Amino acid sequence: AQTVTQSQPEMSVQEAETVTLSCTYDTSESDYYLFWYKQPPSRQMILVIRQEAYKQQNATENRFSVNFQKAAKSFSLKISDSQLGDAAMYFCAYRRGSEKLVFGKGTKLTVNP
Amino acid sequence: DTGVSQDPRHKITKRGQNVTFRCDPISEHNRLYWYRQTLGQGPEFLTYFQNEAQLEKSRLLSDRFSAERPKGSFSTLEIQRTEQGDSAMYLCASSWETSRNEQFFGPGTRLTVL
Repeated sequence: AQTVTQSQPEMSVQEAETVTLSCTYDTSESDYYLFWYKQPPSRQMILVIRQEAYKQQNATENRFSVNFQKAAKSFSLKISDSQLGDAAMYFCAYRRGSEKLVFGKGTKLTVNP
Repeated sequence: DTGVSQDPRHKITKRGQNVTFRCDPISEHNRLYWYRQTLGQGPEFLTYFQNEAQLEKSRLLSDRFSAERPKGSFSTLEIQRTEQGDSAMYLCASSWETSRNEQFFGPGTRLTVL
């Protein structure tokens, strides 16, 4: 079964600084998708960024970028120029095709002013 | 509002009672997913539908849990004889079936079993 591991239960960053959240996963599949979701306090989960496993180029969405290392099964999220609104739980997730998402336990990100 | 909606947002019940939650997906989405999230954990998959067909159920979904999507639109999740361990946030998500499409999440129903 696929598993997703987030080894950092909590992280903090100063406003305007850069922070990297770690994620590793385990799968025997070669074609899959990886995601980072953001869950602000008492608000719904939203997609931050997506990576297709067949693409070698790392995905980027404005201040958010990933470092996808397929052989190492590593998928980290870098947030640049952190803002107060980035404070949230961040979940790394795996999906094969259009099936269910498999989530990690999450990393709580605090942004200090 | 064209997002995923869930009702109720909060439910408090006594142990042994039955509860039912509703999810209304984004109208053009044919896939609907249910997840459960306990405090300090990531969401865990429960079941999903393509149109009205239930395609997969997790072993987390005991006999006390049942889900339906009778006309391929909204879905209901029923828990019978609730237990304190059922206390959690129940999340619904919807998407198109093609692999590229993301799942959009609703706000969740928070269940507290006393």
